[in-house]
Amino acid sequence: EAGVTQSPTHLIKTRGQQVTLRCSPISGHTSVYWYQQALGLGLQFLLWYDEGEERNRGNFPPRFSGRQFPNYSSELNVNALELEDSALYLCASSRRQNINDSPLHFGNGTRLTVT
Amino acid sequence: TQLLEQSPQFLSIQEGENLTVYCNSSSVFSSLQWYRQEPGEGPVLLVTVVTGGEVKKLKRLTFQFGDARKDSSLHITAAQPGDTGLYLCAGAGEGGYQKVTFGIGTKLQVIP
Repeated sequence: EAGVTQSPTHLIKTRGQQVTLRCSPISGHTSVYWYQQALGLGLQFLLWYDEGEERNRGNFPPRFSGRQFPNYSSELNVNALELEDSALYLCASSRRQNINDSPLHFGNGTRLTVT
Repeated sequence: TQLLEQSPQFLSIQEGENLTVYCNSSSVFSSLQWYRQEPGEGPVLLVTVVTGGEVKKLKRLTFQFGDARKDSSLHITAAQPGDTGLYLCAGAGEGGYQKVTFGIGTKLQVIP
């Protein structure tokens, strides 16, 4: 089966701009999770979508937002980019939310650099 | 906020050596997962441990969950260059993935 795919793989933006990152989950997976992996920090939970609805969000400002489409693919939008938004943005999908029943499958991420 | 501390943060060893990396917290987790992440790729799940005291083996990798479900260790026997990567532990509370806390990781380099 095809894995989680993310696009683009790399992106360079300037401070104040806006960016949209995309994620296609594994076929049959309805839950999509977004994480930020900044240098020196662990994976920080951003957003969780399931069945088209935002189910939970992490401790990030409102300029981080997203959505999930009827085909379960997802977008992450970041407005008013700041230098500290530079990070690897990882998308993961799962069949169900229970961590023991359905492991997370990660994409290879989008590397965002803000200058 | 649940925090997971991993140690050491960096480890460089020769092929064939054994090593142990640690994942510690003051919080209790319902389960704990270990992932390996290679450069340019996303993390890949290695194992999930659920029961306090549980030991799981995956070829040369041995994972242990602490009795109190607050800590875990990963032991690699006879390390190979293919073991090189970032090892992440992640602790899950109740309520699904949004409650998962990731450690910063241990960056392992195995030198041939």
